[in-house]
Amino acid sequence: AQSVTQLDSQVPVFEEAPVELRCNYSSSVSVYLFWYVQYPNQGLQLLLKYLSGSTLVKGINGFEAEFNKSQTSFHLRKPSVHISDTAEYFCAVKRTGNQFYFGTGTSLTVIP
Amino acid sequence: DVKVTQSSRYLVKRTGEKVFLECVQDMDHENMFWYRQDPGLGLRLIYFSYDVKMKEKGDIPEGYSVSREKKERFSLILESASTNQTSMYLCASSPGLAGADTQYFGPGTRLTVL
Repeated sequence: AQSVTQLDSQVPVFEEAPVELRCNYSSSVSVYLFWYVQYPNQGLQLLLKYLSGSTLVKGINGFEAEFNKSQTSFHLRKPSVHISDTAEYFCAVKRTGNQFYFGTGTSLTVIP
Repeated sequence: DVKVTQSSRYLVKRTGEKVFLECVQDMDHENMFWYRQDPGLGLRLIYFSYDVKMKEKGDIPEGYSVSREKKERFSLILESASTNQTSMYLCASSPGLAGADTQYFGPGTRLTVL
């Protein structure tokens, strides 16, 4: 079975500091990887996705993620966070077929 | 832009009531999904549909049913609401491309069952 592990449930970080949100998945076959963001009282929005090709993926709002097949990881990074980045972040995995598998989420709080 | 709408943002129901949550997408997507979101548990798939009148159970289908009579609409039904179904419910749709697919989410319905 697929599983997605987000290692940190809460990440506090000061404004303008860098941040990394960690995601590991369990699979030895090809997967498609996604990061979604959920702002308070809203649905999920796609930040970025890895389908194939370059392992460094750039998304919206200055976020990027790196696919590491040997470590089965897809960590999300931003070099300098803003207050507006405070939100819940979800990592998701999809193989062939229709079902997505989501992690339990990481709550990012940016401190002024 | 893809738009996924859900009929209510907030809903309060009593135990034992039959509850309908409606979801509509406007991009002719093949697939539609219902999730529930609970703190510390992330998103858990209840049901999904890959075509009109077709449905498949997700990870937690007990206590729920679904209906997809038209391509753009996917309804989640709680036959007899219980307090443990108090949650945030998220609807999503995706184009149905094999593998390389992206889900688009609605704003969510926060359901409270008293």
